[in-house]
Amino acid sequence: GAVVSQHPSWVICKSGTSVKIECRSLDFQATTMFWYRQFPKQSLMLMATSNEGSKATYEQGVEKDKFLINHASLTLSTLTVTSAHPEDSSFYICSATKTSGSFYEQYFGPGTRLTVT
Amino acid sequence: RKEVEQDPGPFNVPEGATVAFNCTYSNSASQSFFWYRQDCRKEPKLLMSVYSSGNEDGRFTAQLNRASQYISLLIRDSKLSDSATYLCVVNMTSGTYKYIFGTGTRLKVLA
Repeated sequence: GAVVSQHPSWVICKSGTSVKIECRSLDFQATTMFWYRQFPKQSLMLMATSNEGSKATYEQGVEKDKFLINHASLTLSTLTVTSAHPEDSSFYICSATKTSGSFYEQYFGPGTRLTVT
Repeated sequence: RKEVEQDPGPFNVPEGATVAFNCTYSNSASQSFFWYRQDCRKEPKLLMSVYSSGNEDGRFTAQLNRASQYISLLIRDSKLSDSATYLCVVNMTSGTYKYIFGTGTRLKVLA
């Protein structure tokens, strides 16, 4: 199997606080994980590529100092939303890449719904 | 122009109908193609990869036309449980696993 978990599944925080979201690949090792954001009725937008042991690569328009990514091990990546504001309220989804030779697939976590009040 | 474009729908079809979704992509160097399904407030789940020769999985058939940069998904004998948003996904760059998602097409199968 290929299972990816996220924690927490939902969080409500006050404006100005920071929130950490964890993404874990439970039964495989993932050198590459991705973080997406999805606003209501919109598609997933890639925020950043997280590589184990190196700095994340951010997509254009995503502030790296606001969305801190740490990929400390082959099974864990974290996204910290710093100084969160109401406009950061969204559905954050991670994915982990499972490779087998030249074949690969991305498996998605169940998502974290963030509400900033 | 968006990198991956889909008709947002919604497509409302009766049970048993055949429905087709289309998707176009802008980067001719795109390497891999997929259809994902996303239920409301859930994560996307892989429905099927799309191969150059076309492929079928039960009631689902995917086609790829590289010359036209066009991908399609056909669902035959649609079921109520097929109601979801179908996302066209393209891996734009070789050497990375970066996926670009289309906006998705909403399908509602009616009893």
